[in-house]
Amino acid sequence: DAGVTQSPTHLIKTRGQQVTLRCSPKSGHDTVSWYQQALGQGPQFIFQYYEEEERQRGNFPDRFSGHQYPNYSSELNVNALLLGDSALYLCASSQTGGADTQYFGPGTRLTVL
Amino acid sequence: AQSVSQHNHHVILSEAASLELGCNYSYGGTVNLFWYVQYPGQHLQLLLKYFSGDPLVKGIKGFEAEFIKSKFSFNLRKPSVQWSDTAEYFCAVLTDSWGKFQFGAGTQVVVTP
Repeated sequence: DAGVTQSPTHLIKTRGQQVTLRCSPKSGHDTVSWYQQALGQGPQFIFQYYEEEERQRGNFPDRFSGHQYPNYSSELNVNALLLGDSALYLCASSQTGGADTQYFGPGTRLTVL
Repeated sequence: AQSVSQHNHHVILSEAASLELGCNYSYGGTVNLFWYVQYPGQHLQLLLKYFSGDPLVKGIKGFEAEFIKSKFSFNLRKPSVQWSDTAEYFCAVLTDSWGKFQFGAGTQVVVTP
């Protein structure tokens, strides 16, 4: 049984560009949450998707958007990249709508130059 | 504002020493509490969780945590650490029924042989 998978592993972009990160949840999970983990900090909640809808959102600007597909996989899109967007982006999946243990993927390391 | 505080950013100890990591949260309602661990080069993994019942919960690899409601605390303990416990430890609070996690900043634990 595969756990949460994320792609790509690493990504280098320049300021102003756009990026798309992808996540496949653990089998049987219907909820996907995205987190940003800056160096030396804990993960910060970006948003959560359930039933293909953004259900709730953290304190992140509209440049951060997402999508969930019918197979529960998800994408995180970031537009107009800033240097401060450099971080590890984590995807976590859970079942029963989210209010339970979240299982994390290995993350995508984004570097913005 | 809701927050999760981990008191120590770095802890260095010798094998067989006892470990205690502090975690305090500021939230007045019902919370579910978690400790996650991130071993070098690996993704976040669940150590243990508290939802209700016995406030002393046991997790994997000999870890345990005690929920003290009056102190808004959920401290992690291990009586005798091993070199393989070298990792970063994160306390997390689930503050709503939809699965929004709030993480602490993490504690880097280094166990020396």
